[in-house]
Amino acid sequence: ELKVEQNPLFLSMQEGKNYTIYCNYSTTSDRLYWYRQDPGKSLESLFVLLSNGAVKQEGRLMASLDTKARLSTLHITAAVHDLSATYFCAGNSGGYNKLIFGAGTRLAVHP
Amino acid sequence: NAGVTQTPKFQVLKTGQSMTLQCAQDMNHEYMSWYRQDPGMGLRLIHYSVGAGITDQGEVPNGYNVSRSTTEDFPLRLLSAAPSQTSVYFCASSYDPDNYGYTFGSGTRLTVV
Repeated sequence: ELKVEQNPLFLSMQEGKNYTIYCNYSTTSDRLYWYRQDPGKSLESLFVLLSNGAVKQEGRLMASLDTKARLSTLHITAAVHDLSATYFCAGNSGGYNKLIFGAGTRLAVHP
Repeated sequence: NAGVTQTPKFQVLKTGQSMTLQCAQDMNHEYMSWYRQDPGMGLRLIHYSVGAGITDQGEVPNGYNVSRSTTEDFPLRLLSAAPSQTSVYFCASSYDPDNYGYTFGSGTRLTVV
């Protein structure tokens, strides 16, 4: 059974700093997904990582996938306040694309 | 396209009552799922469907029923509400989860007293 663990669960960052969120998963997952959720809102898809070594970037966020290590990372470059949100990673478990989510990383960016 | 529409947005139930959370999408997506979100636990999969007439259980299916009579609709039924079912419920849909992930609805905040 797929289990997904994120760390840290809480992250307080200064604007302009860099940091990485880690997502470990327990068994084979064909895909790795990253989502963003603002308080009281729905989830917004950020990245879908399809294969080992995949790297995707959007603005100040870059996600990567290492299927051998069962690890995905979400790197934040020069953080700005607008990036404050909760970030979730999810793997897919078996066929039919059942997404299994991590607990989320709550990111707060402050001056 | 309206996307994924969930109703109601808020609901308070008494213990033992039943109700149906509605989910509709107008994007002709075959794949639909229901999740619940509890503080500190991320989202947990309740039930999912890969097309009309086909449903299956997720991580936490007990106390919930689903059906998928049409491609557009995927209602979630609470049979006899319990306080442990107090949560935020999200419906999601996709036409190609492998490559594009899921589109989520705005959620239903349910409180069972």
